[in-house]
Amino acid sequence: EAGVTQSPTHLIKTRGQQATLRCSPISGHTSVYWYQQALGLGLQFLLWYDEGEERNRGNFPPRFSGRQFPNYSSELNVNALELEDSALYLCASSSEIGKGVYEQYFGPGTRLTVT
Amino acid sequence: ELKVEQNPLFLSMQEGKNYTIYCNYSTTSDRLYWYRQDPGKSLESLFVLLSNGAVKQEGRLMASLDTKARLSTLHITAAVHDLSATYFCAVDTGNQFYFGTGTSLTVIP
Repeated sequence: EAGVTQSPTHLIKTRGQQATLRCSPISGHTSVYWYQQALGLGLQFLLWYDEGEERNRGNFPPRFSGRQFPNYSSELNVNALELEDSALYLCASSSEIGKGVYEQYFGPGTRLTVT
Repeated sequence: ELKVEQNPLFLSMQEGKNYTIYCNYSTTSDRLYWYRQDPGKSLESLFVLLSNGAVKQEGRLMASLDTKARLSTLHITAAVHDLSATYFCAVDTGNQFYFGTGTSLTVIP
């Protein structure tokens, strides 16, 4: 079974530009989560999509947005990039392991560098 | 906002020794997860703890959950170098996963 895939692996942008990150979940998983992991820090929740709908959003400005496609893949867009957006962006998909209980499986991440 | 605190943040231990990593959280939840992250890599799921008193073991790692104390522990027995990594706990509130700050473990030969 293929795992969660993310592209690109690395992305270098300049301040003010836009970045688009992509994620394909494990086959059969309908939920996708996005996290930001700045260097040396823990994971900060960004967005949760399920069945094409945004279910929850973390404490990030509106220039962080995304969507989920009918095939459950997802895109994260970051507009007006700032230097502090430099981080590892992790995508996870989830499966239900019990009633209302979900386990997340993480992709390899996209390393975004803003110069 | 829910807080998930891990301690210690950094842990350097000798091979063969035992140690415990603590994860405290500030809200009611009976869903607690432990992950491992190697440098430059993604997160790997270690344990899923779903009820008060839950205990799970895999090799030299054992995780437990006390929902009344809002505390989970990850116990390392007879550490080996291969266990060097960063360990995260995460709490699922049903609406969002909240991750701890991580514990960076280095096992010294």
